[in-house]
Amino acid sequence: GAGVSQTPSNKVTEKGKYVELRCDPISGHTALYWYRQSLGQGPEFLIYFQGTGAADDSGLPNDRFFAVRPEGSVSTLKIQRTERGDSAVYLCASSLNRENEQFFGPGTRLTVL
Amino acid sequence: GDSVTQMEGPVTLSEEAFLTINCTYTATGYPSLFWYVQYPGEGLQLLLKATKADDKGSNKGFEATYRKETTSFHLEKGSVQVSDSAVYFCALRQEGNYGGSQGNLIFGKGTKLSVKP
Repeated sequence: GAGVSQTPSNKVTEKGKYVELRCDPISGHTALYWYRQSLGQGPEFLIYFQGTGAADDSGLPNDRFFAVRPEGSVSTLKIQRTERGDSAVYLCASSLNRENEQFFGPGTRLTVL
Repeated sequence: GDSVTQMEGPVTLSEEAFLTINCTYTATGYPSLFWYVQYPGEGLQLLLKATKADDKGSNKGFEATYRKETTSFHLEKGSVQVSDSAVYFCALRQEGNYGGSQGNLIFGKGTKLSVKP
């Protein structure tokens, strides 16, 4: 079956611009996580959705970052007024529920010039 | 807070050599421990896991034992292959609602392994 997909695979933007990153989880998975992986680092947790609600957004670095999952499936990570420090690979993972294995997407590489 | 520390790479080995990648963790409560692997050009994949002390996770010839007394979860393989070349990440996850966790993974920095023929 289809795995987790993320679009776009690469995004280049200019400082100050707004970007949206999309995640399509595995069908039927209620739990969805966003992580950010900077160069040479492991992934760092950003936000967790259970169904449509953001159950834990404690990893979001500041209020420029926001994420939604309006129908409990596809999620969009939104970054306002991008900064060069936002450049990283943004990973999405989904699982049946939070106790089960997380399956990762291929990531979106964001470059802020 | 909770954290994971793994040996820095890169690690370069010859085919059929023995592999150890060290991983230690700091955590309260009763976390589960994981090794994830990222092959070149691919996404993160779960390699193995252990959910309680003294459990041994194993997969594809890799093994790791959950050692609570030394807070370690070292990854080992007796004979590596060129196809094992990848970046390996150690991770933990708090279970239940311990510490307010919602099941997110906490990763180490990763160790790049290169296996030469």
